[in-house]
Amino acid sequence: GQNIDQPTEMTATEGAIVQINCTYQTSGFNGLFWYQQHAGEAPTFLSYNVLDGLEEKGRFSSFLSRSKGYSYLLLKELQMKDSASYLCAVSDSNYQLIWGAGTKLIIKP
Amino acid sequence: DTEVTQTPKHLVMGMTNKKSLKCEQHMGHRAMYWYKQKAKKPPELMFVYSYEKLSINESVPSRFSPECPNSSLLNLHLHALQPEDSALYLCASSGGGSSTDTQYFGPGTRLTVL
Repeated sequence: GQNIDQPTEMTATEGAIVQINCTYQTSGFNGLFWYQQHAGEAPTFLSYNVLDGLEEKGRFSSFLSRSKGYSYLLLKELQMKDSASYLCAVSDSNYQLIWGAGTKLIIKP
Repeated sequence: DTEVTQTPKHLVMGMTNKKSLKCEQHMGHRAMYWYKQKAKKPPELMFVYSYEKLSINESVPSRFSPECPNSSLLNLHLHALQPEDSALYLCASSGGGSSTDTQYFGPGTRLTVL
């Protein structure tokens, strides 16, 4: 079967760094996406990885290891507005997105 | 510009009503999607249109009827819904019709079925 695992909830402090992990087992792999979703709002695109390595975009970075079926999203200099759910999604062999359940990130002052 | 718009923002309907959700994008994207999302759950794919043709229907009940009038518009017609259909309905679009293209989401329609 297809499976994506990420922690249900994480807590971090404003100004700190947090790493959200995602492991996947899918039928095929055509890339991994990270989305941010604030409560009651739509998901917004953060990053896309298809090759191994680190992609950096401002305060956010995303890493992929295809051999390990593993990715992480790294958020630096955390701000209160980063409190949201972070969704990991994998494009499988049929180019369909398989979604993780999301990680709720709580930022404390 | 990565904007996808959806109307209405909120919708309350009875089980005997007929209503429609609308989605529009002007990014020249060739694929458009309908998702359903329940609280604290990830989006659940309902339909995919690729080049204005229905390419994926994830066994969605017939009380949900999609329509793609042109490459920029996507509708979801609702009829005889059940209370369990209450959810956030998200529209998304992507460039070339495969999921390796980034999907951009609209703000969603919060649907309540009484």
